[in-house]
Amino acid sequence: EAGVTQSPTHLIKTRGQQVTLRCSPISGHTSVYWYQQALGLGLQFLLWYDEGEERNRGNFPPRFSGRQFPNYSSELNVNALELEDSALYLCASRLTQGLYGYTFGSGTRLTVV
Amino acid sequence: GNSVTQMEGPVTLSEEAFLTINCTYTATGYPSLFWYVQYPGEGLQLLLKATKADDKGSNKGFEATYRKETTSFHLEKGSVQVSDSAVYFCALLYNTDKLIFGTGTRLQVFP
Repeated sequence: EAGVTQSPTHLIKTRGQQVTLRCSPISGHTSVYWYQQALGLGLQFLLWYDEGEERNRGNFPPRFSGRQFPNYSSELNVNALELEDSALYLCASRLTQGLYGYTFGSGTRLTVV
Repeated sequence: GNSVTQMEGPVTLSEEAFLTINCTYTATGYPSLFWYVQYPGEGLQLLLKATKADDKGSNKGFEATYRKETTSFHLEKGSVQVSDSAVYFCALLYNTDKLIFGTGTRLQVFP
């Protein structure tokens, strides 16, 4: 069974640009979560999508947005990039029901210069 | 609100030493508890979990027991290896809401 896959693995963007990160959940998983892990910091919750709907949102500005497609894959979009957006962006998926935790992808390392 | 508190690192140990990483939680109700591990340059991997009080999660020699009376879920390993060097995150999940993480504890094991 394929795990959670994220693309790209690394990218470098210039301040002010826009970026799209992609995530494919484990087959059968309907919930997708996005987290930001900035250098030296813990994991900050960004967004939760389930069945195509945004269910919850962390304390991030509106320039962080995303969506979930009918096949449950997801995109995270960040507009007007700032230097402090440099981080590892982790996607995770799980079945909607149950208390069994998430499965994480390997992340996308975004560097803003 | 729900939260997780972990001991600050780094934790530095010699190979074969005993490991304890403390984790306590605050939650309204009875959450599921998890330990995740992040090896250098990688994403998070689920290490172990416990879904109710007195459950013991175990994996790869690591153990943690869900203690409701002390609201704790401390991670232990009897004999650490250099390959255990990583960042360990305690987390809770309550009522199918988002997973809430502690700040992480870096473990460094030296030969």
